[in-house]
Amino acid sequence: GENVEQHPSTLSVQEGDSAVIKCTYSDSASNYFPWYKQELGKRPQLIIDIRSNVGEKKDQRIAVTLNKTAKHFSLHITETQPEDSAVYFCASEFGNEKLTFGTGTRLTIIP
Amino acid sequence: GAVVSQHPSRVICKSGTSVKIECRSLDFQATTMFWYRQFPKQSLMLMATSNEGSKATYEQGVEKDKFLINHASLTLSTLTVTSAHPEDSSFYICSAIDTTGSYEQYFGPGTRLTVT
Repeated sequence: GENVEQHPSTLSVQEGDSAVIKCTYSDSASNYFPWYKQELGKRPQLIIDIRSNVGEKKDQRIAVTLNKTAKHFSLHITETQPEDSAVYFCASEFGNEKLTFGTGTRLTIIP
Repeated sequence: GAVVSQHPSRVICKSGTSVKIECRSLDFQATTMFWYRQFPKQSLMLMATSNEGSKATYEQGVEKDKFLINHASLTLSTLTVTSAHPEDSSFYICSAIDTTGSYEQYFGPGTRLTVT
């Protein structure tokens, strides 16, 4: 089955700086890659996603890049703010809408 | 966006008892729903795929006789944890796919199960 690795597990950045989280996947058939933000005790919230026919997607301060050849994708958050502090999960979908999640990154924004 | 609800949000039960968790899509029909389990400081692990009108599909290592799933309507799936034990204590999250719209997967707010 699909395996998704995510790094780093924890990340602390100064407010205003950029944060980058990286994921790799194993199944070359995967074609959908969402990123979720989860606050403590709450549901995951979709923040951005990308499909395999696109190399990059941006939404204001958030961007995702995909390298299909290398089977990795990354989340980029610019001009970080304290409210960006949360756990972020990448995921991949390889069929039947089933998502395989990465292990998560705890992002802390230092004021 | 679409809304998925779960009930209850928190439940405490004694070891050996059964607990039912409901997952509802409030403003769309969902032929497919998913059940995840999330232990503290860990990722979401898919337990099973709930299919309306047919048997659920369980992931490897998940006991189908312990985690009973029923998807009797296009807006409701239930997960029953039978003979619960302390190791079943976890955060259970469902999701539903809007198959008539965006095909985005919408997550419920989760149910915190504590087995004493």
